Amino acid sequence: GQNIDQPTEMTATEGAIVQINCTYQTSGFNGLFWYQQHAGEAPTFLSYNVLDGLEEKGRFSSFLSRSKGYSYLLLKELQMKDSASYLCAVRDSNYQLIWGAGTKLIIKP
Amino acid sequence: IAGITQAPTSQILAAGRRMTLRCTQDMRHNAMYWYRQDLGLGLRLIHYSNTAGTTGKGEVPDGYSVSRANTDDFPLTLASAVPSQTSVYFCATAKDREVDTQYFGPGTRLTVL
Repeated sequence: GQNIDQPTEMTATEGAIVQINCTYQTSGFNGLFWYQQHAGEAPTFLSYNVLDGLEEKGRFSSFLSRSKGYSYLLLKELQMKDSASYLCAVRDSNYQLIWGAGTKLIIKP
Repeated sequence: IAGITQAPTSQILAAGRRMTLRCTQDMRHNAMYWYRQDLGLGLRLIHYSNTAGTTGKGEVPDGYSVSRANTDDFPLTLASAVPSQTSVYFCATAKDREVDTQYFGPGTRLTVL
């Protein structure tokens, strides 16, 4: 079967750095996505990786290792507004997105 | 209209009733999707449409139907609602399903009693 694993919840301090991990086992691989979802709102796109390595976009970076079935989202200089759920999704061989359950990130002052 | 709209925003429905959730986009994206999101579970695909005139079943299609008569609209119908269909429903679109990002509508919160 297809499976995306990510931690259920993480806590970090304002101004710090946090890394959210995602491991996957899917039928085929056509890219990995990270989305941010604030409580009561829709998911919004953060980053996309299809090749191995690090993609940097401002305070957010995403890393992919296809051989290990592993990705992480790195958030730097955390702000209170970063409190949200972070969703990992893999596009499989049928070009459908397979979603993890999401990681709830709590930021403390 | 800007982007993706969904209606209604929320609804309380008696079990056994028929309900249609509406999704409209103005981005001329080819692919459209319906997901449900339940606490502790990832987004699950209900139905999808790769282009106008075609539809396909996702992971959890039972009890739901869709149509795609034109590019802009992709309604989701619950023929006879059951309490297990209580969920938040998101419509999403992508310009090209193979290479592009999916963008989400604001969602519909549905409660079936």
